[in-house]
Order: sequence, then structure tokens, then C-alpha cells
Amino acid sequence: GENVEQHPSTLSVQEGDSAVIKCTYSDSASNYFPWYKQELGKRPQLIIDIRSNVGEKKDQRIAVTLNKTAKHFSLHITETQPEDSAVYFCAAKGMNTGFQKLVFGTGTRLLVSP
Amino acid sequence: GAVVSQHPSRVICKSGTSVKIECRSLDFQATTMFWYRQFPKQSLMLMATSNEGSKATYEQGVEKDKFLINHASLTLSTLTVTSAHPEDSSFYICSASGNSGLVYNEQFFGPGTRLTVL
Repeated sequence: GENVEQHPSTLSVQEGDSAVIKCTYSDSASNYFPWYKQELGKRPQLIIDIRSNVGEKKDQRIAVTLNKTAKHFSLHITETQPEDSAVYFCAAKGMNTGFQKLVFGTGTRLLVSP
Repeated sequence: GAVVSQHPSRVICKSGTSVKIECRSLDFQATTMFWYRQFPKQSLMLMATSNEGSKATYEQGVEKDKFLINHASLTLSTLTVTSAHPEDSSFYICSASGNSGLVYNEQFFGPGTRLTVL
């Protein structure tokens, strides 16, 4: 089955800096890669996603890149703000997993200091 | 986006009792619902997937007789933790997905239920 690895587990940056979180996946058939932001005690919130037919997608300060050959994808946050502090999860979903099952990475705790 | 609710948001129970958690899709028909468990500082771990009107598919290592899932309608799925023990204390989150025939169906998450077993 699919296995998703995520790095780093924690990331501390100064306000205004950029943050990059990286994930790798194992199933070459995976075709959908969402990123979620989760604040303490809250539900995961979808912040951006990318499909396998696209290499890059951007939404204001957030961008995601996908390298299908290397089977990795990354989240880029520019001009970070304290309210960006949260845990971020990547996920992958493949055709072979059935029932549209998402497999989550282990999470990255991002801390943005003012 | 679509709205998914969960009830209760928080429950405390004694060891040995059963607890039922409801997950509802409020403004769309959820043909597939997913149940996750999240321990502190860990990722979401899928417990089971249920399609309306059929038996749930459980992930490896999840006891189907302990975690009973019912998906009787297109807007409601329930998870019952039977004979709960302290190690079952966790954050339980459901998600729902509609079926439009597309591959890239987004999952919409409920707000979660914090279960504490004393």
C-alpha cells in the first residue's frame, strides 16, 4: 500500500521568512496530493491540493510542487505570519487504494515567531 | 465547501461502557465516509471506510467488533466504541466524500470528537 513520509517534523521560522515542507510517497499510481493545516483540537483544513497532471500550483502565499518521477511533493509558504503556526499534513491518494483512501504523512509542526 | 458535523464534540466515559459518535453530512450526500483516530502529536490514522448501505472496510489492526460502524443513510454514519478502555482515549475524526464519478473527490472533515475513557 501507499506510504507517505514527511519532513521535517518541526520547523521554526521568523515572521516573513519562507517555510518548506517535503513529502515523499511510494505508490506511483497515486494521483492526488492535498495539504492540510490543523490547529490544536481542530479538524484538518484543506489549504491546497495538486493533481498528478500538474507540476505546480499556487494560491497567494502558498504553493505546492509535484515531481512525479521522484515521487515527492512540497509545500511552500512565503512571507510567513504567526497565524500560519499549526501542524501541516501532506497526504496522497491513489487509484489502487480503493474507496478514495487518503494516506497521511506524519505531520510538521510549524512555529512562526514574531 | 461542504459541511460535516460530528456529535458529541467531547465525551468522558467509564471503562467498559460503549460510546456512539455520529457523523453527518449537512448539505451533500456522502456516499463514502471515513473514520480516523488521532493520538496526541500524531498523524491521522484511518480506521475504516464505509459506503452507504454496505459493510465497512477496516484497516489492518482495527478490531471491527470493537469499533462498530454503521452507514445507514447518505448523510449519517456512526462509530460505536464498544467496551471502551483508557487506551481508546483519542481524537476521533470523520470525513465524508460525495461520489460524482470523478477521481479527485475531496474529503470534508468533521470537527472531531475527543473521547476520554476513565
